[in-house]
Amino acid sequence: SQQGEEDPQALSIQEGENATMNCSYKTSINNLQWYRQNSGRGLVHLILIRSNEREKHSGRLRVTLDTSKKSSSLLITASRAADTASYFCATDGGATNKLIFGTGTLLAVQP
Amino acid sequence: GAGVSQTPSNKVTEKGKYVELRCDPISGHTALYWYRQSLGQGPEFLIYFQGTGAADDSGLPNDRFFAVRPEGSVSTLKIQRTERGDSAVYLCASSLTSKDTQYFGPGTRLTVL
Repeated sequence: SQQGEEDPQALSIQEGENATMNCSYKTSINNLQWYRQNSGRGLVHLILIRSNEREKHSGRLRVTLDTSKKSSSLLITASRAADTASYFCATDGGATNKLIFGTGTLLAVQP
Repeated sequence: GAGVSQTPSNKVTEKGKYVELRCDPISGHTALYWYRQSLGQGPEFLIYFQGTGAADDSGLPNDRFFAVRPEGSVSTLKIQRTERGDSAVYLCASSLTSKDTQYFGPGTRLTVL
């Protein structure tokens, strides 16, 4: 079963705009990760944030984590057409041996 | 270096047939995972190997599904008596240890007619 929900389910923006995606989860976690998936195939790891961190940056990506609300957000700044993909959050559910994924956000960046 | 590879990339089979899906993890990675992704959904965990042993198979949907990793490297996911509901993309991932980032392969798209 899925860990939680991602919001919005789909997002369409213009190149150069920022894109924000939200993720909610249900159980306690050690860390939360964001992945990108192109065309429904392999997932690419983007960033990991630990439960004792509140914000993390990597290039044009900014991730926040609020463990009290069991939620995270992914911000992509200055979006590009190549950012078009599905984005998934994944938690470890408090264990270390598997990832529990959200339902994903489909991002379309219009050139 | 080489990433996780999976073969075949696509598999079409008939209901009731047996299929094997192969995963080659990144060299040196001790942990290997199988996930299944249905259309429009996020991946769902199936099974986790630490070395040669299946440390957690709680995600396998029923006894038609089985996976092995006999030498602690390549893994094979085996599905017996396939059903149309088994149609999905089967993803494999590996990590250096169970606490490290999981790196995913391109997946095998299984279609059961």
